[in-house]
Amino acid sequence: RKEVEQDPGPFNVPEGATVAFNCTYSNSASQSFFWYRQDCRKEPKLLMSVYSSGNEDGRFTAQLNRASQYISLLIRDSKLSDSATYLCVVNKVKAAGNKLTFGGGTRVLVKP
Amino acid sequence: DVKVTQSSRYLVKRTGEKVFLECVQDMDHENMFWYRQDPGLGLRLIYFSYDVKMKEKGDIPEGYSVSREKKERFSLILESASTNQTSMYLCASSPPSLETQYFGPGTRLLVL
Repeated sequence: RKEVEQDPGPFNVPEGATVAFNCTYSNSASQSFFWYRQDCRKEPKLLMSVYSSGNEDGRFTAQLNRASQYISLLIRDSKLSDSATYLCVVNKVKAAGNKLTFGGGTRVLVKP
Repeated sequence: DVKVTQSSRYLVKRTGEKVFLECVQDMDHENMFWYRQDPGLGLRLIYFSYDVKMKEKGDIPEGYSVSREKKERFSLILESASTNQTSMYLCASSPPSLETQYFGPGTRLLVL
């Protein structure tokens, strides 16, 4: 079983709609969680951190469920520019180096 | 703005060649990382370094080595390139106090 698993998609989303997807992680001792965004043929960039209480950044909402070991990302009022691959990222141990574990990514395609 | 640069965007090499991939960051970050990204497998950590002349194996170090002689530069070396090392190679850096990683644009390596 992979340490961090995501539905690869693609999620085809009409412009203006809401889309949500999850990511599961296998190590219950995982400390920190993030969503990165990767555009086609570009490098990944941090989208947002995920906090236990849930957090929002504009149209993006991230949630963490430690009991079920998953995190989620919800995008409201989808824009064409939201089309990208969203990478779920987990930090197992906060230590020197901060080694992150990446999921395979969920591809989102927003269409007019 | 953090800037991470990689020596080549595209590289074509022959089986058995020695390959050097260079990564430079301009933000005085202690931590640097090398990943490879393959379809369906996501980003996998090859090696990382949290100080000059220091290196640690990641999840898939076989067939690779690294060098960190200066803080700003982290080199990935393929001692004898093989076709299964055809991939996208991504370098990243981060300060020790933050978990956010900043990625370079990537090098697409094709080994024939």
